[in-house]
Amino acid sequence: DAGVIQSPRHEVTEMGQEVTLRCKPISGHDYLFWYRQTMMRGLELLIYFNNNVPIDDSGMPEDRFSAKMPNASFSTLKIQPSEPRDSAVYFCASSLAPVGALYEQYFGPGTRLTVT
Amino acid sequence: SQELEQSPQSLIVQEGKNLTINCTSSKTLYGLYWYKQKYGEGLIFLMMLQKGGEEKSHEKITAKLDEKKQQSSLHITASQPSHAGIYLCGADLYGNEKLTFGTGTRLTIIP
Repeated sequence: DAGVIQSPRHEVTEMGQEVTLRCKPISGHDYLFWYRQTMMRGLELLIYFNNNVPIDDSGMPEDRFSAKMPNASFSTLKIQPSEPRDSAVYFCASSLAPVGALYEQYFGPGTRLTVT
Repeated sequence: SQELEQSPQSLIVQEGKNLTINCTSSKTLYGLYWYKQKYGEGLIFLMMLQKGGEEKSHEKITAKLDEKKQQSSLHITASQPSHAGIYLCGADLYGNEKLTFGTGTRLTIIP
């Protein structure tokens, strides 16, 4: 299996522009998670899906952030408009079972976003 | 304050030496995960410990869970350059299906 695939790996954009991050989870995994990692706040959960349905988006910082999962093999995280404080590494992870089942999450390589 | 505190924040160890990283929770632990991250890469799953004083080992890495102390430790024996990276602990602190991650420990191995 190729693992969790994220694209692009690096994104540099100007403030105010729309940014779209993409994720392909591991086939057969019903759970998909989006995380953000910064030096100040560490690794934070933004939103997670179960069977393509958003379950908890309480970690999404603002209305500028939105996430979709149109099918089991694809998810996007969109920021519109982007701001310099959105600069971070964004990770996608997938899992076969919920956290409560004590099953590991598999992480993608991340997208390093820089907003100037 | 952080709900999952890791100590130390950074560690420089000579190759071949042993080391221990701690993860302390402010809440009851419903399972505890250890991940390793190399710069520019994603997180690699190391081990998962269930509630109940479990201990697991993989190659030269041993992790333990002390539920009374609400703490987990990660011990590396005879460290190697390949052990260098950032170690993160994660836990479901609220029983709500979400992982909270610790602050991370940056490990550097020197010759």
